[in-house]
Amino acid sequence: EDQVTQSPEALRLQEGESSSLNCSYTVSGLRGLFWYRQDPGKGPEFLFTLYSAGEEKEKERLKATLTKKESFLHITAPKPEDSATYLCAVRARGNNDMRFGAGTRLTVKP
Amino acid sequence: NAGVTQTPKFQVLKTGQSMTLQCAQDMNHNSMYWYRQDPGMGLRLIYYSASEGTTDKGEVPNGYNVSRLNKREFSLRLESAAPSQTSVYFCASSGLDRAAKNIQYFGAGTRLSVL
Repeated sequence: EDQVTQSPEALRLQEGESSSLNCSYTVSGLRGLFWYRQDPGKGPEFLFTLYSAGEEKEKERLKATLTKKESFLHITAPKPEDSATYLCAVRARGNNDMRFGAGTRLTVKP
Repeated sequence: NAGVTQTPKFQVLKTGQSMTLQCAQDMNHNSMYWYRQDPGMGLRLIYYSASEGTTDKGEVPNGYNVSRLNKREFSLRLESAAPSQTSVYFCASSGLDRAAKNIQYFGAGTRLSVL
């Protein structure tokens, strides 16, 4: 069965303190790994899709990387506005749906 | 561009009552999805519709029914609500063409409490 595990559950950073969020997955035939950002009271907002090991994507202070077993979301010099829950999801070959992890709740203090 | 619109935003039901959650998208997407989100469990798929006229069960379909009314609209019905169905419900849609790359776009959610 496809599984996605995110760690840590919660992360508190000071503004400017870089860190990484982890997404470990087991899936039969990866068709895509997706990162979303979710603000309180809102729906998930798409950030990145990664398709193969070694692939990297960047957007402002965020950089997503992918290996055969896990993905990392690196946050460089975060700002308070980066505070949100970050969700990871995988899509397997032959499936029309995605399996989500429970998320990492990031808080960035000024 | 509205994207994915869900109604209502909030709802309180008594056990045994029924209700329908509405979802509409204006992105001409073929596929639509219903998820529930509970603390510590992430998003879990209830039902999805790969295209107009088709629906399939997801991970947690029991107690729910869906209708793909047309290409734009996908509704979720609770026939007899139970406290275990207290959750936040999200609708999503995705396109099938290579440009869309199967990215799912989400609505703002419906917060449902069953007493």
